Amino acid sequence: RKEVEQDPGPFNVPEGATVAFNCTYSNSASQSFFWYRQDCRKEPKLLMSVYSSGNEDGRFTAQLNRASQYISLLIRDSKLSDSATYLCVVIWGFKTIFGAGTRLFVKA
Amino acid sequence: NAGVTQTPKFQVLKTGQSMTLQCAQDMNHNSMYWYRQDPGMGLRLIYYSASEGTTDKGEVPNGYNVSRLNKREFSLRLESAAPSQTSVYFCASSGTTSGAYNEQFFGPGTRLTVL
Repeated sequence: RKEVEQDPGPFNVPEGATVAFNCTYSNSASQSFFWYRQDCRKEPKLLMSVYSSGNEDGRFTAQLNRASQYISLLIRDSKLSDSATYLCVVIWGFKTIFGAGTRLFVKA
Repeated sequence: NAGVTQTPKFQVLKTGQSMTLQCAQDMNHNSMYWYRQDPGMGLRLIYYSASEGTTDKGEVPNGYNVSRLNKREFSLRLESAAPSQTSVYFCASSGTTSGAYNEQFFGPGTRLTVL
């Protein structure tokens, strides 16, 4: 089993749709969680950290479920510019593990 | 303030050739990382340096060496390139290697092809 798993997609959604991604992790001792965004042939960039209480940044909401060992990302009112690959990241100790990413295409 | 810079952007090598990928950051970060990204596999950590003067192996270190030259610079060397090392290489830096606020900042990547 991979340490961090994501549905690779692609998710094809119309503008204005709500879309959700999940990411599961295997190590219950994981300490920190993040969502990164990666545009085609570009470097990953931090989208948001994920806190136990859940957190929101504009149209984006991140949740952490430690009992079931998954994190989620919800995007509301999707924009064309949201088209990208979304990577979940899990950290324990000095170990950083990236998921393989979920591709999102938002269409007009 | 350039953030994280990498050179070269593109490189083509023949099997057995050697090369060094350069990385520098101007954010006064303690920790630096080298990753490779292959289709469908996400980013995999090759080596990291928690602080100046220290380096440690990551998930896929075989075939690579690193040097933390100073706080700013972290280089990755391929001594004898193999086709399996064809990949996109990213350098990253962060304030620390652990903790809740370990945001990593990435360079633009080096696209390496080994023939």
